[in-house]
Amino acid sequence: TQLLEQSPQFLSIQEGENLTVYCNSSSVFSSLQWYRQEPGEGPVLLVTVVTGGEVKKLKRLTFQFGDARKDSSLHITAAQPGDTGLYLCAGRGTDKLIFGTGTRLQVFP
Amino acid sequence: NAGVTQTPKFQVLKTGQSMTLQCAQDMNHNSMYWYRQDPGMGLRLIYYSASEGTTDKGEVPNGYNVSRLNKREFSLRLESAAPSQTSVYFCATKRAGGTGAMGGTDTQYFGPGTRLTVL
Repeated sequence: TQLLEQSPQFLSIQEGENLTVYCNSSSVFSSLQWYRQEPGEGPVLLVTVVTGGEVKKLKRLTFQFGDARKDSSLHITAAQPGDTGLYLCAGRGTDKLIFGTGTRLQVFP
Repeated sequence: NAGVTQTPKFQVLKTGQSMTLQCAQDMNHNSMYWYRQDPGMGLRLIYYSASEGTTDKGEVPNGYNVSRLNKREFSLRLESAAPSQTSVYFCATKRAGGTGAMGGTDTQYFGPGTRLTVL
């Protein structure tokens, strides 16, 4: 069974701080996606990483796919209240998308 | 365009009751999915339809049935609801079809969810 563990599970920080969220597995994935979900809404795709070692930047968000394609990280620089939400990683398995356990981020002004 | 719509938004059932969750999309996508989201467990796939006329079981199909009514609509039915089915249910769509649930690498687009409580 392919599992994706995210850490930390919860994160509360002040506006302007930096943070990193981790997504780890013992399985290899052909690609990995990061989604953000706001209360009362469905997840929205932020990025897809495909190549081992790949780094993608989306404004203040930096996503990295591990060299072995078993793990990924999301780094947010100078967090803002608008970054508040549930962050989910999702790995492309054999025939389905495997979602991580989620990291709930709260950024206070 | 509405994207992916789900009805109802909220529902409370008693154990043993039945209900159907509706999902419709106007994105002309081939693939549709039903997930459930529980605290600390991420999203788990219940059933999916890679293309009109086909449906397949996902990770947690027990207690559910689905119908791909046409290209636009994919419904999820609980025949005899149980408290363990209390969850938030999300419908999602993806443009590409292909083999299994993950043909292609296209983005999945999610609906706003249905919050179901079974007493």
